[in-house]
Amino acid sequence: KQEVTQIPAALSVPEGENLVLNCSFTDSAIYNLQWFRQDPGKGLTSLLLIQSSQREQTSGRLNASLDKSSGRSTLYIAASQPGDSATYLCAVKSRAGNTGKLIFGQGTTLQVKP
Amino acid sequence: NAGVTQTPKFQVLKTGQSMTLQCAQDMNHEYMSWYRQDPGMGLRLIHYSVGAGITDQGEVPNGYNVSRSTTEDFPLRLLSAAPSQTSVYFCASGPSGSLYFGPGTRLTVL
Repeated sequence: KQEVTQIPAALSVPEGENLVLNCSFTDSAIYNLQWFRQDPGKGLTSLLLIQSSQREQTSGRLNASLDKSSGRSTLYIAASQPGDSATYLCAVKSRAGNTGKLIFGQGTTLQVKP
Repeated sequence: NAGVTQTPKFQVLKTGQSMTLQCAQDMNHEYMSWYRQDPGMGLRLIHYSVGAGITDQGEVPNGYNVSRSTTEDFPLRLLSAAPSQTSVYFCASGPSGSLYFGPGTRLTVL
């Protein structure tokens, strides 16, 4: 059974710092991995999607990497800003097609202090 | 595009009452799903649908019913609400591989 873990559960950093959020999964046979952002009281917004054949994806100050063999993904946030404060979740999809389900980690809550 | 919409945003029920959470999407996605989010448990899949007339169970389906009569709509029904169903419910839709989430419905069962 696929399990997804995110460590740490919470993180507080000063503005401007570069930071890394971690996601690990137990079954390396994944189809893709997705990083989401969730603001308090809101739904989830997709940030980056990495296919199993890819090593990384970048969007602005965000860079996500994927190492399937070790069952790990990282989300790198450069030059953090108070607006980056949110909960970040990773989710893995184990197979292609519409029947493949997303398995979520419990998230890392990030606070960026001005 | 409105994306994925959910109604209501908040709901309080008494034990044993029934209700339907509404979900609609205007992106012509075949895949739609319902998740619940609980502290310490993360997001868990309740039911999903791969197209009109086709539904299947997720990880935590007990106490919930779904149907999919159109591509756009995917309502979630609670037939007899229980306090254990107090949660935040998210509807999501997407093409294969990606998901778009609605804003959620916060449900409290007393």
